Amino acid sequence: AQKVTQAQTEISVVEKEDVTLDCVYETRDTTYYLFWYKQPPSGELVFLIRRNSFDEQNEISGRYSWNFQKSTSSFNFTITASQVVDSAVYFCALIMIQGAQKLVFGQGTRLTINP
Amino acid sequence: EAGVAQSPRYKIIEKRQSVAFWCNPISGHATLYWYQQILGQGPKLLIQFQNNGVVDDSQLPKDRFSAERLKGVDSTLKIQPAKLEDSAVYLCASSLVKGRNEQFFGPGTRLTVL
Repeated sequence: AQKVTQAQTEISVVEKEDVTLDCVYETRDTTYYLFWYKQPPSGELVFLIRRNSFDEQNEISGRYSWNFQKSTSSFNFTITASQVVDSAVYFCALIMIQGAQKLVFGQGTRLTINP
Repeated sequence: EAGVAQSPRYKIIEKRQSVAFWCNPISGHATLYWYQQILGQGPKLLIQFQNNGVVDDSQLPKDRFSAERLKGVDSTLKIQPAKLEDSAVYLCASSLVKGRNEQFFGPGTRLTVL
């Protein structure tokens, strides 16, 4: 069975600090995709990134960066120079390509950026 | 391009009443999903449609929940009768095809069962 764990329930930092959100996953498959979604107070989940299991290159998009390490089954997300608008709940998710192809979410990390 | 539309945005009902939610996916998206998100948790998939056929409904409480996607476009999720534990946000999402493609989510319907 597949499982995603986001051990940090809530994180609170001051604006301009860097912050890392942890994600650890479990799967027996070798082919899968990992995602990060952002859920602002409006409630709509916003897609941030998709990474396949064969691509361990780190990715940077503006102030956002992602570190994928298969050896530790982790897919961590870092926000550099955080801003108040980054305040939201962030979800890590996993989908296996074989079988039901069901997207499984972690429990989320509530990030609060204080001015 | 219009996003995923859902209605109503909020609904308050008494337990044992019935309720229905509507979803219109992004045009051209073959796959449609309904998720239940209980407060403080991640979304949990209830049912997945590919066009108008059900791909996965293993986590749908079929004694009280039903869903349909007539004509392979918009979809309705119904709860009858509702229980207190059904209080949650019901999210609809769509994707071009199932699997690795990113899913696009609607704003959700917040259901409160009293």
